[in-house]
Amino acid sequence: NAGVTQTPKFQVLKTGQSMTLQCAQDMNHEYMSWYRQDPGMGLRLIHYSVGAGITDQGEVPNGYNVSRSTTEDFPLRLLSAAPSQTSVYFCASSYSRTGNQPQHFGDGTRLSIL
Amino acid sequence: AQSVTQLDSQVPVFEEAPVELRCNYSSSVSVYLFWYVQYPNQGLQLLLKYLSGSTLVKGINGFEAEFNKSQTSFHLRKPSVHISDTAEYFCAVHGGATNKLIFGTGTLLAVQP
Repeated sequence: NAGVTQTPKFQVLKTGQSMTLQCAQDMNHEYMSWYRQDPGMGLRLIHYSVGAGITDQGEVPNGYNVSRSTTEDFPLRLLSAAPSQTSVYFCASSYSRTGNQPQHFGDGTRLSIL
Repeated sequence: AQSVTQLDSQVPVFEEAPVELRCNYSSSVSVYLFWYVQYPNQGLQLLLKYLSGSTLVKGINGFEAEFNKSQTSFHLRKPSVHISDTAEYFCAVHGGATNKLIFGTGTLLAVQP
């Protein structure tokens, strides 16, 4: 039982490049979410999903796209990377469809945009 | 919309001393409250949660928190800290039908020998 797996762990991009951050969970959780963590700002919700085929925006969705074609996977896409998107990205999942139960976090992806 | 305020960005404390990390929230609906801990270069781990029932909640590693609805607070406490408790602590609120878990900005607990 691996929990929540994020790949890659580190990535450096140039401004304007596109990239997909992968997130997979093997706990059959309905709810999945993406956060970004920046110094002094805590974790901010980017997008979340309450089940396959259903996604919604969080606090800071601009510049990011998501899709949820299966229960297990919830990839985050940066269409045209900007230096302001340099951050640590965390994926999380919860067995509660609404996300009101404890969330399990991955180890994070450290992304630098040059 | 719900929000979380952690007023203390850093809390220095000596080993074996008690500590309280403050958390205040705002929400127009019933809430679910959480404390998470993040050790350096790691993801977040759940410390404790308040979903309903008793307002005093006990978590892992000797931490506890008290839900105070009238003061909209959920402060985290430990009677005696260890060096190993040095980490960043995040308070989070889930506001019912919003389906969103919102985090505070975090408090760095720095335990000194």
